[in-house]
Amino acid sequence: GAVVSQHPSWVICKSGTSVKIECRSLDFQATTMFWYRQFPKQSLMLMATSNEGSKATYEQGVEKDKFLINHASLTLSTLTVTSAHPEDSSFYICSASERRLHNEQFFGPGTRLTVL
Amino acid sequence: AQTVTQSQPEMSVQEAETVTLSCTYDTSENNYYLFWYKQPPSRQMILVIRQEAYKQQNATENRFSVNFQKAAKSFSLKISDSQLGDTAMYFCAFMRYTGTASKLTFGTGTRLQVTL
Repeated sequence: GAVVSQHPSWVICKSGTSVKIECRSLDFQATTMFWYRQFPKQSLMLMATSNEGSKATYEQGVEKDKFLINHASLTLSTLTVTSAHPEDSSFYICSASERRLHNEQFFGPGTRLTVL
Repeated sequence: AQTVTQSQPEMSVQEAETVTLSCTYDTSENNYYLFWYKQPPSRQMILVIRQEAYKQQNATENRFSVNFQKAAKSFSLKISDSQLGDTAMYFCAFMRYTGTASKLTFGTGTRLQVTL
């Protein structure tokens, strides 16, 4: 149990376009989802926290207008990278948690974004 | 703010041997959780072990055990009988206990190589 999926697993796009990444909890209802960014050979950096039905809370230094997060249901959160640029190329990982699961974070497999 | 420090960027161990990964953290909180996550080349984050700060007993999960020293703010991971499949990045992480989902703060990671 407690499986989290991400789609797509990788995406290549042109500079200036927008890209949407989906994060789904498959067998539990995720009251909270987190979005992380990981550069090569570096640690995970939290970008934002989203609770179902409310606005995401962004970490300091993360542009909320560039990284749009929507947590429309208890099983789906989306991250949209708007007007992507090469410096947005990275590995994006989501995690989901639920109170009955002791608030443990279950991680998706990640999405590799390459902006040309 | 909490900080997590992993002072060993890389470590190597021979198969069947034992290795210890170090982690220290800084917090003013009294209630929190500590985690060790494994990230293999697939980049899927896998929970290795979890420790509640209020528990004095060190957590163990099969070949994995921790040495939790609350006063010293130290949380090391011991891997016994190392296997080739243990080769991965290992991240130490901190989470405040808030009763609801809370963000993880990760260390910079230790790359572990298990050799024949």
